[in-house]
Parts: sequence; C-alpha cells; structure tokens
Amino acid sequence: KQEVTQIPAALSVPEGENLVLNCSFTDSAIYNLQWFRQDPGKGLTSLLLIQSSQREQTSGRLNASLDKSSGRSTLYIAASQPGDSATYLCAVKADSGYSTLTFGKGTMLLVSP
Amino acid sequence: GAVVSQHPSWVICKSGTSVKIECRSLDFQATTMFWYRQFPKQSLMLMATSNEGSKATYEQGVEKDKFLINHASLTLSTLTVTSAHPEDSSFYICSAFGTSGDNEQFFGPGTRLTVL
Repeated sequence: KQEVTQIPAALSVPEGENLVLNCSFTDSAIYNLQWFRQDPGKGLTSLLLIQSSQREQTSGRLNASLDKSSGRSTLYIAASQPGDSATYLCAVKADSGYSTLTFGKGTMLLVSP
Repeated sequence: GAVVSQHPSWVICKSGTSVKIECRSLDFQATTMFWYRQFPKQSLMLMATSNEGSKATYEQGVEKDKFLINHASLTLSTLTVTSAHPEDSSFYICSAFGTSGDNEQFFGPGTRLTVL
C-alpha cells in the first residue's frame, strides 16, 4: 500500500527566505505526483503536476522536482511571501486510469512579515 | 483549468437529520468523481469513487448505507450523509478528472458539515 510522508509537518520562516518542502513515497511505481495548496477551511488548489517521466516542473516562484527511483519529491519556494502561508499537500497517482490520489498529511507553512 | 463546484459550502444540522452535498463539474464532463473527508489537521481520506451511471465504490471502513452517493449525470455527483451524528462533522471534498489528458484531478472548494 502506497504511503506518502511529508517533512516537516510545520515550518515557520521570515519573509524572503527560500524554502524546501519534502515529500517521500514508498512505492516508486507512480504515474504522476501533484503538489497542492490548501488554505484554512478551503479546498485544494493544484500547484504543480509532474508526470513520472519528468524531473521537474516550474511555475513562477515554485519549482517541484521528482526522483521517482528514490521515491522523493521536493517543492522549492523562492523568496517566500506572507501570502504563501498555507498547508502544502503532496499526492501521488498510481496509474494512468481513473484512480485516486494518495495524499501526505501536508506541511503547514507560515511566512511572517 | 477545469472547475469543480460544491454546494453548500457549509451546513449545520441537528443530529439524526440527513444532509445532501452536491459536486458539479462546471465546464467538463466527469465520468469519475471522488469523495474525500478531511478531519482537522489531517490529510484527505478517500471515502468512495463515484462512477456515472453505476454504483459507487466505497473504501474499507466507510459505511455505504450511511454515506449515499449518486452520480446520475456526467456533471453531478451527490453525497448524502444519512442520520448524521456529531462524529460525522468534517470537511467533505469532491474531485474529478479534467479532460486535458494529464490525468490531473481538480478539487471542489469543500463543504464544512457540523452536526449538533
């Protein structure tokens, strides 16, 4: 059974810092990996999706990498801002069909002004 | 990207009543939708997979008679919490696959259910 772990569980940084969130998964046979953002009491916003054949994806100040063989992904946030404060979830998809995602518990990020 | 809506966004009900939550794909057709439940400071837990025109597939430990799922059309799935109790209070989120070919899931904004 796939298990997804996110480290750290919580992170507090001052504005402007670059930071890295980590995600690991136990079964490397994944189809893709997605990073989401969740604000308190809200739904999920997809940030980046990396296909299993890809190494990284970038969107603005966000960069996600994937090392499928070692079962790891990182989300890099450059020049963090208070508006980045949220919980970041990592999720993996097992196959190309209409299968669901397996989520980690998330990293709660607080960026202070 | 694809848009998924949920209604209501929040609901408060008395213990013993039933509550229906709607999940709609607004600009695409979704043959498969998923229902998740999220407790405070926990991650999303899959409850069931909803397939248009057929019975939902429930995850182990989820009572199918308590959480009724209907997927009557390609744009609408409903979750009915029957005879709700305080322990059913949670955040319920649905999702659906878009049509981009990337197999990306798009999530609804969630429904906060509070059972008194």
